Amino acid sequence: LAKTTQPISMDSYEGQEVNITCSHNNIATNDYITWYQQFPSQGPRFIIQGYKTKVTNEVASLFIPADRKSSTLSLPRVSLSDTAVYYCLVRESGGSYIPTFGRGTSLIVHP
Amino acid sequence: GAGVSQSPSNKVTEKGKDVELRCDPISGHTALYWYRQSLGQGLEFLIYFQGNSAPDKSGLPSDRFSAERTGGSVSTLTIQRTQQEDSAVYLCASSLSRGDTEAFFGQGTRLTVV
Repeated sequence: LAKTTQPISMDSYEGQEVNITCSHNNIATNDYITWYQQFPSQGPRFIIQGYKTKVTNEVASLFIPADRKSSTLSLPRVSLSDTAVYYCLVRESGGSYIPTFGRGTSLIVHP
Repeated sequence: GAGVSQSPSNKVTEKGKDVELRCDPISGHTALYWYRQSLGQGLEFLIYFQGNSAPDKSGLPSDRFSAERTGGSVSTLTIQRTQQEDSAVYLCASSLSRGDTEAFFGQGTRLTVV
């Protein structure tokens, strides 16, 4: 059963800001929200993690509202190299420690 | 090592043959995961090892699939009597400990069954 819901695909252009929203209605109190990035022919790569409010690193920002039932990954000024699949993960309710990946969001950045 | 290493990177095998895929996790990581990714699909969990505990095999699709982890380090995924539907990229990941939400992935092994 899918624990997260995110758009299947998105298109953007170089220099634009991209926001990918993920729904996770069953998130448990102690769960963190984690985002991974996967380029073609590579394994996924961790990019950011948060619990509430806002987290920012050199790659992206993560916005989490107070109810934590959704989160938004924000990529500032995307370039062609940001074309990838982005996965939103939360720990399954009930305590499974296995990272569970859905279909992810395929982002295509156009020139 | 510096990262998770998988071998071989590519494997072509004939239907009915057995194959072994190897994963060397990051040194010191106690958790190890195997996933399968078919073309254009998300990652399908296969099996999870944590330290010396019994592995979680709940994701293995059939009894043709098995895995072991020796000495808490290197892991081998074995597929017996391969079928064409086994063709996929097999990904291994490790994390520092159980519940650590940051997992480090290898480059994967692309398996093609002909």
